[in-house]
Amino acid sequence: TQLLEQSPQFLSIQEGENLTVYCNSSSVFSSLQWYRQEPGEGPVLLVTVVTGGEVKKLKRLTFQFGDARKDSSLHITAAQPGDTGLYLCAAMNRDDKIIFGKGTRLHILP
Amino acid sequence: DAGITQSPRHKVTETGTPVTLRCHQTENHRYMYWYRQDPGHGLRLIHYSYGVKDTDKGEVSDGYSVSRSKTEDFLLTLESATSSQTSVYFCAISDWGPLWAFFGQGTRLTVV
Repeated sequence: TQLLEQSPQFLSIQEGENLTVYCNSSSVFSSLQWYRQEPGEGPVLLVTVVTGGEVKKLKRLTFQFGDARKDSSLHITAAQPGDTGLYLCAAMNRDDKIIFGKGTRLHILP
Repeated sequence: DAGITQSPRHKVTETGTPVTLRCHQTENHRYMYWYRQDPGHGLRLIHYSYGVKDTDKGEVSDGYSVSRSKTEDFLLTLESATSSQTSVYFCAISDWGPLWAFFGQGTRLTVV
């Protein structure tokens, strides 16, 4: 079974600090996505990474796809309370079905 | 929210009763999906549709059926609700497949 393991499960930090969350697998994926989900809402797509070693930036968020396309990281610089939410990674498995990680719940303290 | 509406937003029902959740889109997207989200499991695909009257099973389809008689509507039916089907259900739409989907706001279903 192909799995996406996200770590940490929970993270609570002060406003202004930097943080990194991870999405790891033993499987190779052709692409990987990151979503953010706020309470009471559906997930919203943040980015798609498709090339090994690729780095994408979205304002204070930096996404990296591992060279071997098995893992990805999301780094947030100078976290703000608006970054609070559940961060999910997702990818297509070998059966062409989408799988999601269980998510990292991030809480930024003002 | 990309023209996607789920109804109802909240529902409490009794074990053994039938329940139908509706997903309505105004984007004319080809693909529609139903997911459930549970603590400790994340998002899991229940069923999806790739066109009118074309549907297929996802990872956790047992106990659920779907229908899509029009492009804009995708219905999820629990024929006989069980407590294990208490969850938050999300509909998603896409023109390019599941990795490019827009999600609805969810339906919180409680089976008592």
